[in-house]
Amino acid sequence: GAGVSQSPSNKVTEKGKDVELRCDPISGHTALYWYRQSLGQGLEFLIYFQGNSAPDKSGLPSDRFSAERTGGSVSTLTIQRTQQEDSAVYLCASSPLIGDDYEQYFGPGTRLTVT
Amino acid sequence: AQSVTQLDSHVSVSEGTPVLLRCNYSSSYSPSLFWYVQHPNKGLQLLLKYTSAATLVKGINGFEAEFKKSETSFHLTKPSAHMSDAAEYFCVVISGGYNKLIFGAGTRLAVHP
Repeated sequence: GAGVSQSPSNKVTEKGKDVELRCDPISGHTALYWYRQSLGQGLEFLIYFQGNSAPDKSGLPSDRFSAERTGGSVSTLTIQRTQQEDSAVYLCASSPLIGDDYEQYFGPGTRLTVT
Repeated sequence: AQSVTQLDSHVSVSEGTPVLLRCNYSSSYSPSLFWYVQHPNKGLQLLLKYTSAATLVKGINGFEAEFKKSETSFHLTKPSAHMSDAAEYFCVVISGGYNKLIFGAGTRLAVHP
């Protein structure tokens, strides 16, 4: 079946501009996660959505970062007033969280470059 | 709080020789542990997972890992390396409540002919 998809695959933006990154999870997966992979910080958790519960935003690095998940499916990660340190690969994952199946399935990522 | 430490940032082996990628964990309770692999320009793929059933876990592509509570280790092994195994490997622990993965720094595996 279809896996997690992310768009765009690559994004180059100028410092100070806003960007939106999109994630389409696997159909039926109730949990959705955003992670960031950068050279200096490795792989780090950003935000987690589970059903209708309030999202866990504990990993967001600043208030310039926000995310929403509409209708329990598609999610958008928004970065306002981008900075060069925001350059990274942004990864989305989804999970069914049914029984003991809490494996996270990752998308291919969006490579963000801030110039 | 949970954490994982990958003891080697780079490992280099010859094709056909054994692979050992080392990982130690820290957790206040029985952890759920994973190994993920990331090939160049590819997404993260789950190799195997430990969830407190059998301590020896078999994964895809001939990899396996053994959970050793006494040593707080979860090392990844493979008897015979293949060129296609060259990739970055991440040891991962899941936080309480299954709401996020905590990644190790990664080990880059190189396989030489």
